[in-house]
Amino acid sequence: GEDVEQSLFLSVREGDSSVINCTYTDSSSTYLYWYKQEPGAGLQLLTYIFSNMDMKQDQRLTVLLNKKDKHLSLRIADTQTGDSAIYFCAEIGGTSGTYKYIFGTGTRLKVLA
Amino acid sequence: NAGVTQTPKFQVLKTGQSMTLQCAQDMNHNSMYWYRQDPGMGLRLIYYSASEGTTDKGEVPNGYNVSRLNKREFSLRLESAAPSQTSVYFCASSDLDLNEKLFFGSGTQLSVL
Repeated sequence: GEDVEQSLFLSVREGDSSVINCTYTDSSSTYLYWYKQEPGAGLQLLTYIFSNMDMKQDQRLTVLLNKKDKHLSLRIADTQTGDSAIYFCAEIGGTSGTYKYIFGTGTRLKVLA
Repeated sequence: NAGVTQTPKFQVLKTGQSMTLQCAQDMNHNSMYWYRQDPGMGLRLIYYSASEGTTDKGEVPNGYNVSRLNKREFSLRLESAAPSQTSVYFCASSDLDLNEKLFFGSGTQLSVL
């Protein structure tokens, strides 16, 4: 079945690294995504990784993908208070013409000053 | 370029009342979606429309109806609201067949008393 799992909460100190983990089930997903939701707003795409890659780095963000274990992680270096938000991982399931996103439960990141 | 526009932002209903949530996108996207977000449950897909003229049930369609009025607009209707439908509702759009990212509206906070 289709299921994407994440831990619900993470708390880190400002300046430390944050690592948010996700496990997914649909191995046919071409891309895997991280979305960020700030308070009172909709989700915005943060970064994504192509499924044939192991790692992608984008400034303070590093995405690691372990296809064998179906494990995706998002590392935020030098975490700032502005990074406090809910982070969702997502995969795409279905077939052409009926693709749909499958979201995890979201991880609420709290950055302590 | 407004992106995805949802109205209203807030709504309070009494049990049994009906209402329609409106959504419009100006990005010429084929696919549109309605999600609900509840604490600890992430985003759950209510209905989606892969293209103009088609709609399909998502994970939690009961109690809702949708209309894909044209390529721009996708509305969500609650015929007889129930307290279990208290949630934050998000509309989104994308061209998933091109593996494009999902664009979200800012959400509608609905309370059913």
